[in-house]
Amino acid sequence: AQRVTQPEKLLSVFKGAPVELKCNYSYSGSPELFWYVQYSRQRLQLLLRHISRESIKGFTADLNKGETSFHLKKPFAQEEDSAMYYCALSGFGNEKLTFGTGTRLTIIP
Amino acid sequence: NAGVTQTPKFQVLKTGQSMTLQCAQDMNHNSMYWYRQDPGMGLRLIYYSASEGTTDKGEVPNGYNVSRLNKREFSLRLESAAPSQTSVYFCASSVERGTGELFFGEGSRLTVL
Repeated sequence: AQRVTQPEKLLSVFKGAPVELKCNYSYSGSPELFWYVQYSRQRLQLLLRHISRESIKGFTADLNKGETSFHLKKPFAQEEDSAMYYCALSGFGNEKLTFGTGTRLTIIP
Repeated sequence: NAGVTQTPKFQVLKTGQSMTLQCAQDMNHNSMYWYRQDPGMGLRLIYYSASEGTTDKGEVPNGYNVSRLNKREFSLRLESAAPSQTSVYFCASSVERGTGELFFGEGSRLTVL
């Protein structure tokens, strides 16, 4: 079974402060991890994936297999980062993408 | 390109009524999915279709049926709606199975009284 845990339902951060959204997973095989974001009045969309090892909108996420974590980080929060963030997992070549329960990030001006 | 289009956007049903949520994508994607989103539970997969002509159950399939009408369209049917099916439903598509990059519709908010 595959499971994704996002321990924080709500997270408030001051503008300019660092952001870290936590994600832990459970999966017996080789996982593929993703972060999705839903801005107000917009569709849910892919933010980044661990395979790409890229930075999108200043966000990065490193897969830590030892700690089974895939935390999303940004050094300096911006007001436009306010959104709902979902961590998601799939097994390699697996159709099923399992989502966490989401974290609502609010950036305080 | 419209991407993934879902209809209707809002619907209110009485317990026992039936309805079909329609989904169409214009990106020539092979795989399509139906998720439901409930407060505190994230998105849960109801059914998916890896390719035209195939459908498979997801995490929460009970009370639902699906039809992959053609490559573009994937419908979700509630035969006898129950209050527990009050939710926001999302259709999504991906180029092929296992890519992890899903493109989502805007969602359909269903209330069952």
